[in-house]
Amino acid sequence: EMQLVESGGGLVQPGGSLRLSCTASGFPFSNYLMSWVRQAPGKGLEWVAYINADGSTKSYVDSVKGRFTISRDDAKNSVFLQMDSLRGDDTAVYFCVRQAGVHWGQGTLVAVSS
Amino acid sequence: EIVLTQSPGTLSLSPGQRATLSCRASQTISSTFLAWYQQKPGQAPRLLIDSASLRATGIPDRFSGGGSGTDFTLSISRLEPEDFAVYYCQQYGSSPWTFGQGTMVEV
Repeated sequence: EMQLVESGGGLVQPGGSLRLSCTASGFPFSNYLMSWVRQAPGKGLEWVAYINADGSTKSYVDSVKGRFTISRDDAKNSVFLQMDSLRGDDTAVYFCVRQAGVHWGQGTLVAVSS
Repeated sequence: EIVLTQSPGTLSLSPGQRATLSCRASQTISSTFLAWYQQKPGQAPRLLIDSASLRATGIPDRFSGGGSGTDFTLSISRLEPEDFAVYYCQQYGSSPWTFGQGTMVEV
């Protein structure tokens, strides 16, 4: 069974950092582009970043460029999102996604507040 | 950035009725990179339609997608109780990938 499990969310102060992890199982992880999508409370979906299968191409939404970094470790079947200089408008549930949206994890909540 | 505008914002229908949802892009996009998702409260989105018209694995045939260029539609032929949810379109052919703001299908 295909599964994506996120971890690493929590409450952080403005300006702080968090590292989200997503561990995949049930499919050949190294063959696939992976992405992160977020959803602020009561709001719609916003794509955040993607990394291609071999890790050579990364892309980010403008609002996180220079603050967030996506990476992957195929040996661990994992994709990561390093989030620095967090702001209140980064508060959201963060979903790990296979490709653009073929399969989604259940999400992890990031709350940025003092 | 490609802006996707979904209409209507809310669709009030009854079980058994047909639903037609619209997604309009601010510029031409390839049908290959247009997807539709369903999201229920407290759940992750689920892929319904990819490449504008291809049903994802396990999706009932009452869901269908169509369109090209800048205008795309999602149709639900006969609404079942479990179909009342929020629906999003997404384009992923041009970075930044973008989603529409969503259409809520309610009873």
